[in-house]
Amino acid sequence: DGGITQSPKYLFRKEGQNVTLSCEQNLNHDAMYWYRQDPGQGLRLIYYSQIVNDFQKGDIAEGYSVSREKKESFPLTVTSAQKNPTAFYLCASRGTGTGAFFGQGTRLTVV
Amino acid sequence: AQSVTQLDSQVPVFEEAPVELRCNYSSSVSVYLFWYVQYPNQGLQLLLKYLSGSTLVKGINGFEAEFNKSQTSFHLRKPSVHISDTAEYFCAVSDGGYGQNFVFGPGTRLSVLP
Repeated sequence: DGGITQSPKYLFRKEGQNVTLSCEQNLNHDAMYWYRQDPGQGLRLIYYSQIVNDFQKGDIAEGYSVSREKKESFPLTVTSAQKNPTAFYLCASRGTGTGAFFGQGTRLTVV
Repeated sequence: AQSVTQLDSQVPVFEEAPVELRCNYSSSVSVYLFWYVQYPNQGLQLLLKYLSGSTLVKGINGFEAEFNKSQTSFHLRKPSVHISDTAEYFCAVSDGGYGQNFVFGPGTRLSVLP
């Protein structure tokens, strides 16, 4: 059954730590996206990738990094430079003529 | 570039009543339009989409939307809501490309009251 999987569902980070959020899709989609969602707010684009080995900054890329070594995978690293990382993170993928398909999200909390 | 406006941040409605969630967009090119639903602590689920063809689009869970090019609108409707429809609803627009031009509105919180 095709889909998009994010892990872990919940993640806790200490101050000054880098953490990596996983996103895997088996939909054979070329494009993948990372969004951040804060309570009561909409989605803000962090990074997106239209093809393997290429990615572009979104509206709020500072303090984040990504890689796209495989079509199926688009991990997001939240670095220590991100001063307010507590949020709900959503990964999505898109194919030709389709809407975006979303994972179930990762809730990151700084402790 | 595209943009999306959802004028109503919150919409309370009684169970079994009809509901309309409004979405207006701006774009200089032809667009694809989408509605998503988000339940608490979950990802977004695609409700319906307009790519081309008939302007009345039917989706899952009894929802439908109508694309109106002259009014640049894509309002979401359901003739009779259930408690389980309580969720956040997002309208999105795309120019069809894979890039940054896949834009979401701020969301509308639908609360269905018993």
